[in-house]
Amino acid sequence: ELKVEQNPLFLSMQEGKNYTIYCNYSTTSDRLYWYRQDPGKSLESLFVLLSNGAVKQEGRLMASLDTKARLSTLHITAAVHDLSATYFCAVSNTDKLIFGTGTRLQVFP
Amino acid sequence: GAGVSQSPSNKVTEKGKDVELRCDPISGHTALYWYRQSLGQGLEFLIYFQGNSAPDKSGLPSDRFSAERTGGSVSTLTIQRTQQEDSAVYLCASSFIPREQFFGPGTRLTVL
Repeated sequence: ELKVEQNPLFLSMQEGKNYTIYCNYSTTSDRLYWYRQDPGKSLESLFVLLSNGAVKQEGRLMASLDTKARLSTLHITAAVHDLSATYFCAVSNTDKLIFGTGTRLQVFP
Repeated sequence: GAGVSQSPSNKVTEKGKDVELRCDPISGHTALYWYRQSLGQGLEFLIYFQGNSAPDKSGLPSDRFSAERTGGSVSTLTIQRTQQEDSAVYLCASSFIPREQFFGPGTRLTVL
């Protein structure tokens, strides 16, 4: 059974600081996703990672994938308040998604 | 642009009643998914439709839950004899296999 673990569950960051969210999964998968969810809103797709060593960047967020370690990271650079949200990683299992627990990120001045 | 739409946005029902939740996927997307998001269980897969293939129902929590997809487009998730533990946000997503899934705004179901 595919399991996805995400940590930390909660992250309080000061503006301007850097931090990394980790996503581990238990069995081989062909793709990994990162989503953002604002309170009361749906899921917004951030990144799709398809292969070992894949790295994608958008603004202050950078995601990477190590399929051998079954690990993906979401790195936040110089955090700003607008990044406050909950971030989910999800791993594809025969096309359906298995989600991590989510990381609730709060960025304060 | 036309994204995934769901209705109703909120539904309050009494325990024991049946409810129907609707999802309109993005036009042209061949795959449609239902997920559930609740405080205790996080985000869970429920059911997946792909083209004319038999749906993957492996995530449905009980036989009170069923879903259909008519004409390869609109889908309805039905919950019979609702229970309080069914209270959650039900999210629908669609994709053009094998690409990323796009999520609708969700239906918040509250069972009193």
